[in-house]
Amino acid sequence: EAQVTQNPRYLITVTGKKLTVTCSQNMNHEYMSWYRQDPGLGLRQIYYSMNVEVTDKGDVPEGYKVSRKEKRNFPLILESPSPNQTSLYFCASSLTPGLAGGDTQYFGPGTRLTVL
Amino acid sequence: GESVGLHLPTLSVQEGDNSIINCAYSNSASDYFIWYKQESGKGPQFIIDIRSNMDKRQGQRVTVLLNKTVKHLSLQIAATQPGDSAVYFCAEFTGTASKLTFGTGTRLQVTL
Repeated sequence: EAQVTQNPRYLITVTGKKLTVTCSQNMNHEYMSWYRQDPGLGLRQIYYSMNVEVTDKGDVPEGYKVSRKEKRNFPLILESPSPNQTSLYFCASSLTPGLAGGDTQYFGPGTRLTVL
Repeated sequence: GESVGLHLPTLSVQEGDNSIINCAYSNSASDYFIWYKQESGKGPQFIIDIRSNMDKRQGQRVTVLLNKTVKHLSLQIAATQPGDSAVYFCAEFTGTASKLTFGTGTRLQVTL
């Protein structure tokens, strides 16, 4: 089954304790992206990756890091989490960044992060 | 499931009626528009899309209308069912920037 998986689904942590949220897709997609979703703000892009070893900042990259060492994985790293990073996080992937020819982004199930 | 937002505009529709969800977009250079459905506890799911050179596209029970003059997008759901209850997002894609920008969403509640 074609899917995007994220782990963990729920995480409660404390300020300053480094964490990683994993994302994996099994569709051989080149383009992957991380979003955060907050009430009243919709989905905002944190980082994206056009392909292996190619990453770039989205709209709200501060406080986050990503890596793309393999095509299928795109982990989101919070080196020193702060309470304002409490949010619902989604990973997404698509065959191309341009969403051409009927391509679309597939979203993971989300990770609810709480930073105390 | 997870709540996606406490302050979303809400559309309440009776089962069997038609629903119309509206969205205003910001970038006149956007060349592709997408509607997503997000059920509680899940990620957004693609419903239907439309390119900027079209003004209407129909799917199964859904129709998207695009009015570029006023930068307005709408999603029409025919014969709304309880399973349609969700938050609906529009998104605009700008090819030159390879950027997908989401609206804040509308919650659709289907009453029996």
